[in-house]
This record gives sequence, C-alpha cells and structure tokens, in this order.
Amino acid sequence: GENVEQHPSTLSVQEGDSAVIKCTYSDSASNYFPWYKQELGKGPQLIIDIRSNVGEKKDQRIAVTLNKTAKHFSLHITETQPEDSAVYFCAASNSGGGADGLTFGKGTHLIIQP
Amino acid sequence: DAGVTQSPTHLIKTRGQQVTLRCSPKSGHDTVSWYQQALGQGPQFIFQYYEEEERQRGNFPDRFSGHQFPNYSSELNVNALLLGDSALYLCASSYGAGRDEQFFGPGTRLTVL
Repeated sequence: GENVEQHPSTLSVQEGDSAVIKCTYSDSASNYFPWYKQELGKGPQLIIDIRSNVGEKKDQRIAVTLNKTAKHFSLHITETQPEDSAVYFCAASNSGGGADGLTFGKGTHLIIQP
Repeated sequence: DAGVTQSPTHLIKTRGQQVTLRCSPKSGHDTVSWYQQALGQGPQFIFQYYEEEERQRGNFPDRFSGHQFPNYSSELNVNALLLGDSALYLCASSYGAGRDEQFFGPGTRLTVL
C-alpha cells in the first residue's frame, strides 16, 4: 500500500518568513495530494490540494508543488503569521481523480516565533 | 450551513466493551469516511461508506464495523475494545465517492481504560 513520509516533524520560523514542508510518497498510482491544518482540539482542515495533472497550485500565501517523477510534493507558506501555528499533514490517495481513502504523513508542528 | 458533526465529543470505556460513534456529513455530501488518529500521529483510514455500503477499507480488524443510513449519516462500531483503540476518531464527508475533497469533523476522543 501507499506510504507517505513527511519532514520535518517540527519547524520553527520567524513571523514573516517562509515555511516549507516536504512529503514523499511510494505509490506511483497516487493522483490526489491534499494538505490539512490541524489546530489543538479540532479536526483537520483542508487548506489546499493538488492533482497529478498539475505541477503547482497557489492560493494567496499558500502554494503546493508536485514532482511526479521524484514522487514528492511540498507545501510553501509565505509571510507567515502567528495564526499559521498548527500541525500540518500531507496526504495521498489513488482514486478516479478524487479523494478516496487518504494515507497521511505523520505531521509537521509549525511554530511561528513572534 | 453546518459542517461535519460528530457525537459524542468524548467517551470513556473499559477493555472488552463495545462503542458506537456517530457522524452527520456536511450538507450535500453523500460519502462518509472514518479515520483513527493516535496521539502525535496522522489519521489512519478505517473505511468509507457510499450508498449505504462499505466501499473501501483500510488495514483494520473486523472489530471495526460501520453503517450508513439513508440520510447519509454514519456510525462506527468497535467491539471488544483494547487499550490501543484509545484515539481520536475522525469522520470526513465528501460528495460522490472518490471524486472530491474530504472535510473533517471535530472528532470523538475515545479513551479505553
């Protein structure tokens, strides 16, 4: 089955700087890659996703890149703010172009230093 | 528009007991997936329900079972509880199995003593 590795496990950046979180996946058939943000005591919140027919997607301060050949994808957050502090999860799935049973990474605890 | 709701929020059980968790999907969604999230880990896929049938299943034993009702709400049942079943149980809903983003509820925190 699919295996998703996520790095780093903890990332501390100064407010206003950029943060990058990286994930690799093992199943070349995976075609959907969402990113979730989870705050303490809450369920994961979908922040951005990318499908295998696209190499990059951007939404305001958040962007995701996908390299299918290398089987890795990354989350980029620019101009970080205190409210960006949370645990971020990457995930992957193989379905008919949408979201099926997702395989998650172990998460990255992002800390924004004021 | 209500998002995904789950009940109860917290639950304490003892080993060997059985538990039922409930989920109501986001309005307009017809597919429900269940995940188990151990402390400090990412969610793990248990199974997905669509059209009242289990459509896909992760690597979980038969002690984990589910049901989907005609109104698309769903239940997760766990029998013969083990200490290792203590976790946050998350429900996610989507529209059209395998065709859209999954939106998560707040979860049910299960503690097995």
